[in-house]
Amino acid sequence: AQKVTQAQTEISVVEKEDVTLDCVYETRDTTYYLFWYKQPPSGELVFLIRRNSFDEQNEISGRYSWNFQKSTSSFNFTITASQVVDSAVYFCALSEATGNEKLTFGTGTRLTIIP
Amino acid sequence: EAGVVQSPRYKIIEKKQPVAFWCNPISGHNTLYWYLQNLGQGPELLIRYENEEAVDDSQLPKDRFSAERLKGVDSTLKIQPAELGDSAVYLCASSLRIVNTGELFFGEGSRLTVL
Repeated sequence: AQKVTQAQTEISVVEKEDVTLDCVYETRDTTYYLFWYKQPPSGELVFLIRRNSFDEQNEISGRYSWNFQKSTSSFNFTITASQVVDSAVYFCALSEATGNEKLTFGTGTRLTIIP
Repeated sequence: EAGVVQSPRYKIIEKKQPVAFWCNPISGHNTLYWYLQNLGQGPELLIRYENEEAVDDSQLPKDRFSAERLKGVDSTLKIQPAELGDSAVYLCASSLRIVNTGELFFGEGSRLTVL
């Protein structure tokens, strides 16, 4: 069975600080995908990134960066120089690599950026 | 381009009453999902459609929940009769399977309160 754990329920940081959201996953599959989604107050989940289990390269996109470590089954997400607009609930998710796109989500981390 | 549209945004009903939610996916997206999101939790898949065929409904409580996707476009999720524990947000998402990026596009959800 697949499982995603986001141990941080809520995080608050002052604007411009860096913040890292943790994600630990469990799966028996050798090939899988990892995702991060953002859920702003409006409710819709917004796709941020997908990572293949064979690609452990870290990725940077603007102020966002992701650290995938297969050895520790972690896929952490860092926001650099946080902004108020980053306030949202962030979900880490896992799917099989069968192309069926069935996502197993973590319980989410509520991030609040204090102006 | 219009996103995934869901209605109603909010619904309050008394227990044992029926309720229905409607979803219009992004034009051309052949895969449609219904997810259930309880308060403080990540979304959980209820059912997935490939065109008009339900290819994964293993998590759908079939005694009271039903769904349909006639003509492979719009979809309706119904609960009859509703129970107190059904209070949650019902999210619809769509994707274009042939692209297989793993990116799901979510609607803003329908928040159900059962009294």
